[in-house]
Amino acid sequence: SYEMTQPPSVSVSPGQTARITCSGDALPKRFAVWYQQKSGQAPVLVIYEDTKRPSGIPERFSGSSSGTMATLTISGAQVEDDADYYCYSTDSSGNPVFGGGTKLTVL
Amino acid sequence: EVQLVESGGGLEQPGRSLRLSCTTSGFTFSGYALTWVRQAPGKGLEWVGFIRSKAYGGTADYAASVRGRVTISRDDSKSIAYLQMNSLKTEDTAVYYCTRDQFASGYYMDVWGKGTTVTVSS
Repeated sequence: SYEMTQPPSVSVSPGQTARITCSGDALPKRFAVWYQQKSGQAPVLVIYEDTKRPSGIPERFSGSSSGTMATLTISGAQVEDDADYYCYSTDSSGNPVFGGGTKLTVL
Repeated sequence: EVQLVESGGGLEQPGRSLRLSCTTSGFTFSGYALTWVRQAPGKGLEWVGFIRSKAYGGTADYAASVRGRVTISRDDSKSIAYLQMNSLKTEDTAVYYCTRDQFASGYYMDVWGKGTTVTVSS
């Protein structure tokens, strides 16, 4: 079955840039989406269509995609960005797939 | 404001059934597909299934892990979606989220409910 691979954890100090990657063979032809999930809360959409940011999401969140890898970048990470981040896309047949999630620690 | 509120979770025994509801407001329910996603304790997100809008047939697709035991339905007159779960297994224990879907540029979920917890245990 199709898989999207994320690093289990990323750690940065406040004010640094955090980059979370997601690799998947279908990404050259499929958009990547990113969700933020804070502890005990529901996921929130932070990036869609590889690079677009929904209203209300801070500008420090950005997305990019090249080849089989999508990247979520948090420029100047804040303590409140400490959360799990999941990439999401569909495989070549349109079946939905979540990445395994990355725990971002900001401290 | 777009809102989705899940309900119906609780403690149920293996082999029994449970129906979850997703009550929505703030958008034209009939025009959207809706998805159910679950998250087992300490685990990642798992897609359960989704139901298309009536304009696209109103049919549902399911993950292989639940196919044959789960049915998703919708009542456009009440703006509610349902997840009927039969023959419950302990591995169905999870928080179940309902989401509103977007399809313009590929299928993804843009708004999530807060979730309802299902515990399957004897």
